[in-house]
Amino acid sequence: EIVLTQSPGTLSLSPGERATLSCRASQNLSRGSLAWYQQKPGQPPRLLIKGASKRATGIPDRFSGSGSGTDFTLTLSRLEPEDFAVYYCHQYARTPYTFGPGTRVDVK
Amino acid sequence: QLQLQESGPGLVKPSETLSLNCSVSGVSMTNSFNYWGWLRQSPGKGLEWIGTIYYNGNAWYNSSLSSRATISVDTSKDHLSLQVRSVTAADAGVYYCARHVVETPMGAFDIWGRGTLVTVSS
Repeated sequence: EIVLTQSPGTLSLSPGERATLSCRASQNLSRGSLAWYQQKPGQPPRLLIKGASKRATGIPDRFSGSGSGTDFTLTLSRLEPEDFAVYYCHQYARTPYTFGPGTRVDVK
Repeated sequence: QLQLQESGPGLVKPSETLSLNCSVSGVSMTNSFNYWGWLRQSPGKGLEWIGTIYYNGNAWYNSSLSSRATISVDTSKDHLSLQVRSVTAADAGVYYCARHVVETPMGAFDIWGRGTLVTVSS
């Protein structure tokens, strides 16, 4: 099973600041088979990024994904009030598909 | 617009079978070549993929459930189902159905239901 590790566990930032979230896979993810999701309390995860760097439909361009192999990054260029949430990475290179434990982005 | 809605009993007794349905609206499952997944989320295990089914009934499962899970699809009724047998407290959590993105077979999940909370207790 591919294990995903996310860091940091919590990121405390102010609106307008830049957020950089990391996801590391225990094995190489072929074809960049990694996605990022945002989740707010009481809601399902929302797809932000697929294929490591492609924004999903309707996702603002302040969200960007990068990386390959085992190291991936989600960057929020300028935090808006609605961006404070938990972010998960997800690998679909190999079953069983797995998720990281999440990074919480909260207001400093 | 594609929407998914989970339903089922919120309370299941230990050792019994959990049965959930997911209604699909906004697209005909008969005419769409989609992959559909079931996932769950709990404080202890985080987000966990349970399995995926293709519209023709082919299915793939997470072996962590030790073959206790069965996913089926009924394209005539536009719904999919999940059964988990011999449940324990570890099976409690919010259960989601979701669609894999169309352009990548069994890729990321782009459409999610709102989820249904399952409690396991006698």
